[in-house]
Amino acid sequence: AQSVTQLGSHVSVSEGALVLLRCNYSSSVPPYLFWYVQYPNQGLQLLLKYTTGATLVKGINGFEAEFKKSETSFHLTKPSAHMSDAAEYFCAVSEGGYQKVTFGIGTKLQVIP
Amino acid sequence: DSGVTQTPKHLITATGQRVTLRCSPRSGDLSVYWYQQSLDQGLQFLIHYYNGEERAKGNILERFSAQQFPDLHSELNLSSLELGDSALYFCASSVTPDLGTYEQYFGPGTRLTVT
Repeated sequence: AQSVTQLGSHVSVSEGALVLLRCNYSSSVPPYLFWYVQYPNQGLQLLLKYTTGATLVKGINGFEAEFKKSETSFHLTKPSAHMSDAAEYFCAVSEGGYQKVTFGIGTKLQVIP
Repeated sequence: DSGVTQTPKHLITATGQRVTLRCSPRSGDLSVYWYQQSLDQGLQFLIHYYNGEERAKGNILERFSAQQFPDLHSELNLSSLELGDSALYFCASSVTPDLGTYEQYFGPGTRLTVT
């Protein structure tokens, strides 16, 4: 069975500081990995995904994530936080095809001016 | 705007009642997914339909059922409602179940409050 662990349900960073949101996964097959963002009162929006190939994945709004198989991790980073990055971020894993997508519990990012 | 529409936006009902949530996928998308988001459980996958057929089931209660119609819209039926069913219910759609290739687009959600 697949699962996702997001470390830290709340993360606070100062504007301009590095954003690091942690995600570890487990999967019995090579996984598809995703990061989604949810702004208040909205649905989820895909930030980036890893399927195969290059392990460093770039997404929208300056975010990127690196797939590390040996560490079963897929941490999300952004070099410099903006106020507009304040939102909830979800890491997710899928075994592909018709398989379900399993989401982590989410990490609420607060950006302090 | 993701192109996925959900109605109603808000729903308040009493315990024991039955409700129907509706989802219209993006034009051309054949896959519809339903999720429940609650404070204590996070985002939980409920069920996936592809072109009218059920393809995958998550932690969906027996009191809940769903279907996808020939025009590809989907309905999630929740019956014998309990206080714990209060949550945000999201629908998402994609072209196919191949989420490695195609993105999953989420609707704005239906907020269900059971009193």
